[in-house]
Amino acid sequence: SQTIHQWPATLVQPVGSPLSLECTVEGTSNPNLYWYRQAAGRGLQLLFYSVGIGQISSEVPQNLSASRPQDRQFILSSKKLLLSDSGFYLCAWSVTLGTGGKYGYTFGSGTRLTVV
Amino acid sequence: SQQGEEDPQALSIQEGENATMNCSYKTSINNLQWYRQNSGRGLVHLILIRSNEREKHSGRLRVTLDTSKKSSSLLITASRAADTASYFCATAPRESNYQLIWGAGTKLIIKP
Repeated sequence: SQTIHQWPATLVQPVGSPLSLECTVEGTSNPNLYWYRQAAGRGLQLLFYSVGIGQISSEVPQNLSASRPQDRQFILSSKKLLLSDSGFYLCAWSVTLGTGGKYGYTFGSGTRLTVV
Repeated sequence: SQQGEEDPQALSIQEGENATMNCSYKTSINNLQWYRQNSGRGLVHLILIRSNEREKHSGRLRVTLDTSKKSSSLLITASRAADTASYFCATAPRESNYQLIWGAGTKLIIKP
């Protein structure tokens, strides 16, 4: 069965420090991968998506970047965190790009990032 | 931009009662999906309804879709304390094949 792992669960980082969040998927090949950010009490904002190794599309200009060094690995990074980067970050994968296909998106458990 | 708008923003009911949440959207869609999110956790896919479908059932869940009104509803029957969570609708717009558009969610509290 397919599983998705995301870590760490919580992270407190000082302003100006670097960031690296990792997401890995098991049990499927060539997944479509997504990074979302969720502000408190809000819906999800798509940050990046990837259809394959080394292929990254960015949805909003920001202080963050993403990389996909392996088929089932998706990394969210920043060189210097800002206070506004605080939030709940979610990784997800789907069989079908965008619409999610029959089974929708499968999400990781999320990372709560607090920049202080 | 946010297309899905859930209504109500928050709902508190007694265990055993039915809970109904609504979602409205703005553009033509390929499908509409409902997800549940327990506090501080990731989202779990509940049900997907295609634009040519009007109603779908999954266990205690019933979803309807009215494309003429651009709206959907999620009904949870015989609610349980474990149903306490936030519920989100997400639409797959016809003109965009690469992302879902998410609403802000309905926070459902089931009182024992």
